[in-house]
Amino acid sequence: DPKIIQKPKYLVAVTGSEKILICEQYLGHNAMYWYRQSAKKPLEFMFSYSYQKLMDNQTASSRFQPQSSKKNHLDLQITALKPDDSATYFCASSQEGGNNQAPLFGEGTRLSVL
Amino acid sequence: GQQVQQSPASLVLQEGENAELQCNFSTSLNSMQWFYQRPGGSLVSLFYNPSGTKHSGRLTSTTVIKERRSSLHISSSQTTDSGTYLCAFITGNTGKLIFGLGTTLQVQP
Repeated sequence: DPKIIQKPKYLVAVTGSEKILICEQYLGHNAMYWYRQSAKKPLEFMFSYSYQKLMDNQTASSRFQPQSSKKNHLDLQITALKPDDSATYFCASSQEGGNNQAPLFGEGTRLSVL
Repeated sequence: GQQVQQSPASLVLQEGENAELQCNFSTSLNSMQWFYQRPGGSLVSLFYNPSGTKHSGRLTSTTVIKERRSSLHISSSQTTDSGTYLCAFITGNTGKLIFGLGTTLQVQP
């Protein structure tokens, strides 16, 4: 059974709309992350949270807002969607945030913006 | 420029051949990680490797931190090894990973 659940697996949206990508982890981890993978680009770090607090934000646009309603949840709200937002979004988690932790990744949500 | 350089960009093997994938980092690092990305997109962690050599089945990862490089050796390749191999290093104290573009491996029967 997958321990990091991302929903939905596939998502199609129209330009200008808003979507929420869901991530739940059942590993008892305290740190959670979002990454994005666009065509022809490396996997790109977006956010890290530790104990439901934002630790690092590498996303320039305020259209991307993480939401942590519970310790094991880190959803990603994206507003005013653009075609350039089309990518696969991966959620990850680790026991603690830090440089000696190996994060585990979810299966990803593939977003297409038309 | 890219902080993580992976080579080769792509590789085609016949089943049973060995593969050597390279990863070079442009900055000092404390630890790095190898991932396998399935053709469907999901990521599997292969090795978390602060330094030295680690083995897992037919896979061997060797990391020399002070030389900022790591290699992944796949022995006796199988068609199920096909996919993309990504390396990344962990930076800062927030667990952030910086990834390379990957090596796409195709193993033919």
